[in-house]
Amino acid sequence: DSGVTQTPKHLITATGQRVTLRCSPRSGDLSVYWYQQSLDQGLQFLIQYYNGEERAKGNILERFSAQQFPDLHSELNLSSLELGDSALYFCASSPLTSGYEQYFGPGTRLTVT
Amino acid sequence: DQQVKQNSPSLSVQEGRISILNCDYTNSMFDYFLWYKKYPAEGPTFLISISSIKDKNEDGRFTVFLNKSAKHLSLHIVPSQPGDSAVYFCAASDQSGYSTLTFGKGTMLLVSP
Repeated sequence: DSGVTQTPKHLITATGQRVTLRCSPRSGDLSVYWYQQSLDQGLQFLIQYYNGEERAKGNILERFSAQQFPDLHSELNLSSLELGDSALYFCASSPLTSGYEQYFGPGTRLTVT
Repeated sequence: DQQVKQNSPSLSVQEGRISILNCDYTNSMFDYFLWYKKYPAEGPTFLISISSIKDKNEDGRFTVFLNKSAKHLSLHIVPSQPGDSAVYFCAASDQSGYSTLTFGKGTMLLVSP
């Protein structure tokens, strides 16, 4: 158990809909990262937050957004969903602002039908 | 453009033998490298890392070797155990500012008894 929690574990929704994925980092970790893993793809970095502020952006679509709250939990919002958004979404946390070791949650599997 | 490449999608090894997983990178700014292990239905778990100032790092049965001139790193598992069967991801960070991790697509290792 990494100490990072993600909810929900599974999510099935229709195209055009909007969903919110939630992540609670390890106790004391200020950095939260979001990744997408599509079929046969590695982990694609989406966005990083540190202590409530956005720090880095990766391959995140404009339809996606995220935020980190004062209690350090984070939410990833996916809107106008398309079939291609079906993937595993992982959250990770670390105590530092830079990469180093990141600790991953179990992921949320999103299926868009 | 893939900056971190794991060219072997899968590897099969017998229990007790050595497993060697390879990773190549193209970005010369990368200076910190990590290996993660992932079991099905779980998030990736940090395994071992190496800084570019070293060429070898060892932790129990796991050793990572780094060849900077060739932009190549490898993970050696000796002896391999059936419980090592998982997907292994190579990741790299440039540690500049709020650096993030760039992952390869992973290599599935199967260790047979």
